[in-house]
Amino acid sequence: QVQLQESGPGLVKPSETLSLTCAVSGYSIRSGYYWGWIRQPPGKGLEWIGSIYHSGNTYYNPSLKSRVTISVDTSKNGFSLKLTSVTAADTAVFYCGSHRGYPGYFDHWGQGTLVTVSS
Amino acid sequence: DIQMTQSPSSLSASVGDRVTITCRASQSISSYLNWYQQKPGKAPELLIYAASSLQSGVPSRFSGSGSGTDFTLTISSLQPEDFATYYCQQSYNTPPTFGPGTKVDIK
Repeated sequence: QVQLQESGPGLVKPSETLSLTCAVSGYSIRSGYYWGWIRQPPGKGLEWIGSIYHSGNTYYNPSLKSRVTISVDTSKNGFSLKLTSVTAADTAVFYCGSHRGYPGYFDHWGQGTLVTVSS
Repeated sequence: DIQMTQSPSSLSASVGDRVTITCRASQSISSYLNWYQQKPGKAPELLIYAASSLQSGVPSRFSGSGSGTDFTLTISSLQPEDFATYYCQQSYNTPPTFGPGTKVDIK
């Protein structure tokens, strides 16, 4: 059973870079699947940020593409998210997840981590 | 981007009720439509994929139907653990997009 766990700072200052990692267990990240990030502002809906295939191919939401980098770390069996130049509008719960195919459906999710952008 | 809408935005229902939630896409997405359930403070969970396929472990009271632009999620007999927010998501093309959600609460 695939399990995912997000980690990273819960508070980021405006204009700085948000960095999160997702640890995957129960499945080798090199074996397949797409690995993605989704965010949810407090009280609002879900927004796909981007995904990466185990080979390293990346797919980003055009609305965030200029600020997003997703990468895989096979040595740690995980993947990461970097979002630059953050503002208060980036405050959200960030989820990592896995999906079959692209765009695909997300069949495994991490528990989520709240990141607040504030000085 | 393909825009997803859902109706109603919220509904109140009683245990045992039959509940229907509608999702509409701004263009045809064939059967590339997925449904998720989210409880407060928790991550979404996949219920239905490809419009009508039940995810493993999901109770059979949940069902999905539709194709093209109009889709439906039905809960045949609402249970106490079903009070949650439900989201649809299209996986027809990139970027994948979600509906705004339908909150189901207790009447």
